[in-house]
Amino acid sequence: DGGITQSPKYLFRKEGQNVTLSCEQNLNHDAMYWYRQDPGQGLRLIYYSQIVNDFQKGDIAEGYSVSREKKESFPLTVTSAQKNPTAFYLCASSIRDRDNQPQHFGDGTRLSIL
Amino acid sequence: GENVEQHPSTLSVQEGDSAVIKCTYSDSASNYFPWYKQELGKGPQLIIDIRSNVGEKKDQRIAVTLNKTAKHFSLHITETQPEDSAVYFCAAGFGNEKLTFGTGTRLTIIP
Repeated sequence: DGGITQSPKYLFRKEGQNVTLSCEQNLNHDAMYWYRQDPGQGLRLIYYSQIVNDFQKGDIAEGYSVSREKKESFPLTVTSAQKNPTAFYLCASSIRDRDNQPQHFGDGTRLSIL
Repeated sequence: GENVEQHPSTLSVQEGDSAVIKCTYSDSASNYFPWYKQELGKGPQLIIDIRSNVGEKKDQRIAVTLNKTAKHFSLHITETQPEDSAVYFCAAGFGNEKLTFGTGTRLTIIP
């Protein structure tokens, strides 16, 4: 079955530590996205990539970094510079087109601070 | 940038009744409006979307209406069932630019 796989489902970070969240898709989508979800808030865009080896900052990129070396993979690193990293992180992908296309989401990674 | 407001934040309806969730957007250039359903511990799933060249779209018990003049769009769920209980998000976007999401509505269906 085609879909988006995020791992791990739960992740714990110590103070001053960088952690990397994995996102893999086998939908053959060009565009991929990372969102952060906090209780009572909508999804806020961290980074997005429309094509391999290219990505753009979203609304809340500070303290995060990404890479897009392969079409199917878009890992997110939460750095120690992110002072409030506890949240639910969602990865999505879509067809790249002139007009917006439906975004397909993974089941998320919940990150907590130890 | 775009701003999307969503109301109500919580909604409880009796099973079998209808539910309506409303969103307003600020950027008149937005032309794509999806709705997502998110169940506990899962990622959002697209349930219906509409583009600005259409005023209404239906898919079985779900419908979305768009009023471009007033810059608002609504999700209508008829004959609600317990499995409709979830958090629903609206979003707005233009061209192939990023989507801006509303803050969500927690819908509870009372048996």
